Amino acid sequence: EIVLTQSPDTLSLSPGERATLSCRASQSVSSRSLAWYQQKTGRTPRLLIYGASSRATGIPDRFSGSGSGTDFTLTISRLEPEDFAVYYCLQYRTSPYNFGQGTKLEIK
Amino acid sequence: DVQLVESGGGLVQPGGSLRLSCAASGFTFSRYWMAWVRQAPGKGLEWVANIEPDGREEYYVDSLKGRFSISRDNAKNSLFLQLNSLRVDDTAVYYCVRDDESWGYWGQGTLVTVSS
Repeated sequence: EIVLTQSPDTLSLSPGERATLSCRASQSVSSRSLAWYQQKTGRTPRLLIYGASSRATGIPDRFSGSGSGTDFTLTISRLEPEDFAVYYCLQYRTSPYNFGQGTKLEIK
Repeated sequence: DVQLVESGGGLVQPGGSLRLSCAASGFTFSRYWMAWVRQAPGKGLEWVANIEPDGREEYYVDSLKGRFSISRDNAKNSLFLQLNSLRVDDTAVYYCVRDDESWGYWGQGTLVTVSS
């Protein structure tokens, strides 16, 4: 089973700053099967990035994904007020699939 | 447009059973793997199970094997999750997801509450 560990658990930043979120896997993950989601309270998760670096339809270009092997990163270049939410990574190559525990991005 | 609509959630007593359904439209359902994901109140996302297009292979998170069962009816474009021997900690929103190269299509979720 591949375990995903996200860091940090909470990230406190101000609008306009750059956010860097990490997702580390316990073993190598196919880059084609690593996704990032944004979730706001009471809402369905919203796909941001799939295949480690491909932006989903309609996602602003301030969101970018990178990484390979066991280390993946979601970067938000300049935070907008609507970006403060919880972010999850997911590996969907090898069953059982797994989500990371989430990173809460909060306003400083 | 791809649509996934879950139903069947509700209040059930510990030890009880529920059958969740997911009605799919806007794509050729029989060509895709499908999955269930759940989220307990205030907690993170948990992958529950998935099933291959013709229904012959199923995979489950280890902690739920034997109590939950995933199935599908391709003729009715429907996905199911049978929940048995329910526990209080099974309380969650259950999402239906199209298990494809992007994992981008989710239903709105159905709430299962296990309480006496």
